[in-house]
Amino acid sequence: QSALTQPASMSGSPGQSITISCSGTDSDIGRYNLVSWYQQHPGKAPKIIIYEANKRPSGVSNRFSGSKSGNTASLTISGLQSEDEAVYFCCSYAGISIHVVFGGGTKLTVL
Amino acid sequence: EVQLVEAGGGLIQPGESLRLSCAASGFNVSNYFMNWVRQAPGKGPEWVSVIYSSGTTYYADSVKGRFTISRDTSKNTLYLQMNNLRVEDTAFYYCARDGDSGYYEFDYWGQGTLVTVSS
Repeated sequence: QSALTQPASMSGSPGQSITISCSGTDSDIGRYNLVSWYQQHPGKAPKIIIYEANKRPSGVSNRFSGSKSGNTASLTISGLQSEDEAVYFCCSYAGISIHVVFGGGTKLTVL
Repeated sequence: EVQLVEAGGGLIQPGESLRLSCAASGFNVSNYFMNWVRQAPGKGPEWVSVIYSSGTTYYADSVKGRFTISRDTSKNTLYLQMNNLRVEDTAFYYCARDGDSGYYEFDYWGQGTLVTVSS
């Protein structure tokens, strides 16, 4: 069981927006603004799409946005496209003892 | 261009040892915090170990005392020595570079190498 909780699957139609949640605790997401999100296509390496909760790396589409409120982080994908179909997982710094925790991943299907 | 290429995975029996490698290009492994992250099939990722640019190392409790992370700067390669392997160590193992924040925001990952521990 992963330390951060994400929905196992979500779906949306092309052009729609979806928001994936990532629930943590006061010791990780709630304490640090160091949440990252990754996109992973089958058989491929994970790709970072959000860091520091709401920042986008260079080259990542502005259709991806991140936010955080309390112990929950969220990833919003607007204007869904077929190539967005992938697994998305969240990650948070959790202090010097635990270091880092991950979510179990959300499989996004674009209908 | 930054690239990370893992190697060394395979099928191995419980109690045996295996060494994974991660060849880096496009940057120096000694200048970044370098990590091993594993992902069991169908599960979320699990952080395994980190080596700081200073050489300090840390491990997840699940592997402490059995796994050792190291690097060879002359080969620009990261390693993970895995001893006394258990069935629950079965996973894809990825090396991942920590980004500029230094707080486990992984800006580059390798493609992964599969380790299967089974009798």
